[in-house]
Amino acid sequence: DVKVTQSSRYLVKRTGEKVFLECVQDMDHENMFWYRQDPGLGLRLIYFSYDVKMKEKGDIPEGYSVSREKKERFSLILESASTNQTSMYLCASTGWGYEQYFGPGTRLTVT
Amino acid sequence: AQSVTQLDSQVPVFEEAPVELRCNYSSSVSVYLFWYVQYPNQGLQLLLKYLSGSTLVESINGFEAEFNKSQTSFHLRKPSVHISDTAEYFCAVSERNTGNQFYFGTGTSLTVIP
Repeated sequence: DVKVTQSSRYLVKRTGEKVFLECVQDMDHENMFWYRQDPGLGLRLIYFSYDVKMKEKGDIPEGYSVSREKKERFSLILESASTNQTSMYLCASTGWGYEQYFGPGTRLTVT
Repeated sequence: AQSVTQLDSQVPVFEEAPVELRCNYSSSVSVYLFWYVQYPNQGLQLLLKYLSGSTLVESINGFEAEFNKSQTSFHLRKPSVHISDTAEYFCAVSERNTGNQFYFGTGTSLTVIP
């Protein structure tokens, strides 16, 4: 079974802190994605990566950056957390069957 | 870019009744189509997918979806729902010529009433 893991299920941070969200997949997938999910808005793409050290902006990249130093790991960075970044963050990777495999999500609260 | 519309944000239905969750997408280019289910405080799980071939696809737990190219739709149906089907359902589209990006609908919350 494909497994996508995220470093934390729940996270509470203060405004202005730098936040790291880690995602690891174990199936040698090329493409990895970071989404945020908010009620009524569905999933919105923040960044994606199609190869090591490669990244592309999604629909809402402002306030975020990413890092992909190894194929299996894709990190999302909130440079200076703000309360409007309180959300559920979902990581995904794409396999050869074309579907995306999702991690369990990280619910981030910024106070 | 694709636009994916799930017209119904909330669908309440009684146990053992049929249900249809609607999904329309914007572009007529060749696409891959997906339905995902999300249970509370979990990530999304693939329910079923259409890549090619038969336009009717089925999941292992009784859901089915039909790809209708002329209407650019991929509606999800189940003839008899169970309490355990209560969840959020997302329709997603990926374009064949890119394959990298997925476009998601805003989700439909299905509540099965005992």
